[in-house]
Formats: sequence, structure tokens, C-alpha cells
Amino acid sequence: DVKVTQSSRYLVKRTGEKVFLECVQDMDHENMFWYRQDPGLGLRLIYFSYDVKMKEKGDIPEGYSVSREKKERFSLILESASTNQTSMYLCASSPGGPAKNIQYFGAGTRLSVL
Amino acid sequence: KQEVTQIPAALSVPEGENLVLNCSFTDSAIYNLQWFRQDPGKGLTSLLLIQSSQREQTSGRLNASLDKSSGRSTLYIAASQPGDSATYLCAVSSSNDYKLSFGAGTTVTVRA
Repeated sequence: DVKVTQSSRYLVKRTGEKVFLECVQDMDHENMFWYRQDPGLGLRLIYFSYDVKMKEKGDIPEGYSVSREKKERFSLILESASTNQTSMYLCASSPGGPAKNIQYFGAGTRLSVL
Repeated sequence: KQEVTQIPAALSVPEGENLVLNCSFTDSAIYNLQWFRQDPGKGLTSLLLIQSSQREQTSGRLNASLDKSSGRSTLYIAASQPGDSATYLCAVSSSNDYKLSFGAGTTVTVRA
């Protein structure tokens, strides 16, 4: 079974702090994704990566950056956390080739910025 | 840009009733469509994947249909059970694109 692991289920941070959300997948997938999920808005793509050290902006990249130094790990960074970044964050991965659209999700990190 | 809509946002039914969940999308040039289940505070679990060439897909009590020309998919859950209570999301992928466009979901409550 594919496993996508997010390092924290719940995080509470203060405004202005630098926040790291970590995601690890164990299936050697090429592609990894970060989403945020807010009530009534569904999942919105923040960033994705199709290879080590490669990244592309999604629909809402402002205020976020990402890092992918190793194939299995994809980190989301909030450079200076703000209250409007309080949300549920979901990481996903997918293989390359024809199955690239089939994404496997982690359990999510619920982040509260106070 | 692909827009995905799920109506209603919430649904409550008595146990044993069949569930019908709707998903509509604006661009019919899709690669596939997926239905996911999300339990409160949890990640997403894939339920069914329908390729653009398919009309329907079945798994146990679940059946999903796809009508590309009208931009609609329907998820049917037969003989609902309290354990079916969750949020159901549909997601569409466009041709040659990694990205999925998600609906906001329908939250289902099955009353015992």
C-alpha cells in the first residue's frame, strides 16, 4: 500500500513564525503536491513538484514556499505565518506516466495560527 | 479553468435509503474523474476512478457514472449505513495535466 505520512496532525503557531510542514511518501512517486482545504472551498493546490528540486506554483502559492531535496520528501514552508493561513493542509503523491493523475493523500495537518 | 461543483453541500438520510451525490464540471475535456471519501479531520481515500472513455464504474455498493457531454458525474451508494457518513469529494483531471480540480464536497449523514 502507498503510504503518505505527514509529520504532524495538529500544529499551533504564532503569527510571524516560520513554519515547516513535512511530508514523506514510500512508493518512489515522482510527483508530490501540497493542498489546503477550507470549508466551502474544497482543496486548493498550493505547490507541486514533478521531480527532485523541481517545483511549480499551484493556484494559491502566495505566502508559501516548498522544498524537495529528496524524492520521498516534500516540505511546505510558511515564511511568516499569518492568521489567514489557519487551515487543513493535505499532502499527496502520484506516480509518473499514465497514472500521474491518481493521487494518494496523507492524513492532513491542521494548522492554527494565533 | 476547470470549475467543479457539488450540490447539495450537505445531505441527511435515514439508514437504508439510497444516496445520490452529484458532481458537475465546466470543461468536458477531462482525462478522468475520481470520487474520494473524507472522514472528519482525516485525509482523502479514493473510492472510484472513471476514465474519460468509461460511462460508469462499480465497487460493492458504490456506482459512479460519467456523462462528459453534459459535464456531470453521479455517485450512487446503495442501502446506506451509518458508516457511510462522511464528506464525499469529486475531482477532475484534465488531459496531460498532473493537477486535480476538486469540488467542495457533499457531507453525508446517515441516521440510524
